[in-house]
Amino acid sequence: QQQVKQSPQSLIVQKGGISIINCAYENTAFDYFPWYQQFPGKGPALLIAIRPDVSEKKEGRFTISFNKSAKQFSLHIMDSQPGDSATYFCAATGGYQKVTFGTGTKLQVIP
Amino acid sequence: EAQVTQNPRYLITVTGKKLTVTCSQNMNHEYMSWYRQDPGLGLRQIYYSMNVEVTDKGDVPEGYKVSRKEKRNFPLILESPSPNQTSLYFCASRLAGSNEQFFGPGTRLTVL
Repeated sequence: QQQVKQSPQSLIVQKGGISIINCAYENTAFDYFPWYQQFPGKGPALLIAIRPDVSEKKEGRFTISFNKSAKQFSLHIMDSQPGDSATYFCAATGGYQKVTFGTGTKLQVIP
Repeated sequence: EAQVTQNPRYLITVTGKKLTVTCSQNMNHEYMSWYRQDPGLGLRQIYYSMNVEVTDKGDVPEGYKVSRKEKRNFPLILESPSPNQTSLYFCASRLAGSNEQFFGPGTRLTVL
């Protein structure tokens, strides 16, 4: 049972462009929505996270947009760089309980 | 350096031969967890532990065992590995009351 659906599975973006990855969740008890970034051969690392009491959070070139009524959230990477090439996972959790991950998006930023 | 370590990083074994993957963290985190990562399936939780001697099943616990005798260590045990357990395994830890998980570097397991 996939409680967090992530799309697209893969994404190719030109350098300087905007990368957008989308996630949808089902469980309304979720109250924390992180994005993890994973480089080849490494473990995932927290990139940015949001709670449902705000609609947007920005950290540098990375922004999370959150739509509580639609139960959707997305990651936007502005001015995408080749160094952003990685796999990105959205996730959701509630009350410090176990984390449910999306299936991942492999991003390639081409020069 | 604050980190989560896993050993071994790579392992090739045969069906039925018991193995243990170790996980250790030096951040005094209460919560530890094991995940497996498979193409197209993302990260799925195998087992987690909220503190010493407290463990519980995740989404895919079949064929795995864990123990938490010390706060820093959380080994994953495969008593009779099968080819469908070929995967990339990650250990993670976090502080109680925090949502941020810190992941280890991963263990790539192949069961022939």
